[in-house]
Amino acid sequence: GAVVSQHPSRVICKSGTSVKIECRSLDFQATTMFWYRQFPKQSLMLMATSNEGSKATYEQGVEKDKFLINHASLTLSTLTVTSAHPEDSSFYICSARDSGKSSYNEQFFGPGTRLTVL
Amino acid sequence: GNSVTQMEGPVTLSEEAFLTINCTYTATGYPSLFWYVQYPGEGLQLLLKATKADDKGSNKGFEATYRKETTSFHLEKGSVQVSDSAVYFCALTQSGTALIFGKGTTLSVSS
Repeated sequence: GAVVSQHPSRVICKSGTSVKIECRSLDFQATTMFWYRQFPKQSLMLMATSNEGSKATYEQGVEKDKFLINHASLTLSTLTVTSAHPEDSSFYICSARDSGKSSYNEQFFGPGTRLTVL
Repeated sequence: GNSVTQMEGPVTLSEEAFLTINCTYTATGYPSLFWYVQYPGEGLQLLLKATKADDKGSNKGFEATYRKETTSFHLEKGSVQVSDSAVYFCALTQSGTALIFGKGTTLSVSS
């Protein structure tokens, strides 16, 4: 149980295009999902907290107009990188918290999406 | 604010050696503590966790004890294997907020 999937696992796009990354909780409901970004050989940096049915909360320094987050259902959050540029190339990882275990702080991670912008 | 500090790597060991990766934290209240492992090219996998003081998390031969008095959650394994080579992240969260990660420690085990 507690599986989180991400799609696509790897994407290469041209500069200026937009890329959508999906994060799904497969066997549980998640009112809250998180999006992280990881640069090579570095730690995960939180980009935003995605809340089902409401606007995402972005961390300081993260452009909300560039990284659009939609959490339209209890099992799906999407991250759209708009007008991607080479500096957006990174490993994007989502996590989800099981809404059925409100007192438990564990989060479940997706396998990540490798974005390369040419 | 909350933060996690891990020992810097890389840590290079021979097979069957003893492993310790230090992790200390700063937080108000009582956070939950985690160790995650990331194998090359993959996402994070939960290795073990502890939700209150004096709890010991364990999995696959790895152990860590939640020490509130020293604000530490050091990862240990008595005998490492080549397959343990990966990056290890210490992390904390409070009240379901996003995880705060340490910088990660790369472990390389040779046969």
